[in-house]
Amino acid sequence: EAGVAQSPRYKIIEKRQSVAFWCNPISGHATLYWYQQILGQGPKLLIQFQNNGVVDDSQLPKDRFSAERLKGVDSTLKIQPAKLEDSAVYLCASSPHRAEGEQYFGPGTRLTVT
Amino acid sequence: AQKITQTQPGMFVQEKEAVTLDCTYDTSDPSYGLFWYKQPSSGEMIFLIYQGSYDQQNATEGRYSLNFQKARKSANLVISASQLGDSAMYFCAMREVYNTDKLIFGTGTRLQVFP
Repeated sequence: EAGVAQSPRYKIIEKRQSVAFWCNPISGHATLYWYQQILGQGPKLLIQFQNNGVVDDSQLPKDRFSAERLKGVDSTLKIQPAKLEDSAVYLCASSPHRAEGEQYFGPGTRLTVT
Repeated sequence: AQKITQTQPGMFVQEKEAVTLDCTYDTSDPSYGLFWYKQPSSGEMIFLIYQGSYDQQNATEGRYSLNFQKARKSANLVISASQLGDSAMYFCAMREVYNTDKLIFGTGTRLQVFP
């Protein structure tokens, strides 16, 4: 079974530029999560999708971050414009059902904003 | 408010020895789940073990066991017979069943296994 795929693995941009990350969850997984992991901290949830609907985006900085999950499969997370404090690893995870079982994580995208 | 606390920034253990990584949690929800994840330098979060709040027995998965003490609100991870490949960051996380099912993570413990 293929795992959660993410691209790119690394990205370096200047502040005020825009960037997009892509995630392909495990086939058949209805729930998809985007987490932000700042160096030295644990991951923090940014947004959660159930199929193509948003379940929780309470910690997403909506003035600069956006995310979508068209057709309930792949998802993209966008930052526009980026700030220095957005430097982090962005992890995508998926699970077959809400509130059951573990979440399966992708390898992450390491973003550096200069 | 939900909170996970990992008080050990770093731990050292000799190969083949056992090690305990501490985790305490705070929640007002009577139903919750506790998770441990391993994050090697490659960055991927690897699921290790799960304990439900109503589980009567401590969870075990191979060399991993979870020492669950509900009254103390602690969920320590025990790794037996440590291997060099166990060197990584370890995160404790909690999910409240009647809330959104997001995971709340602690700050992690860096484990280093030496020969």
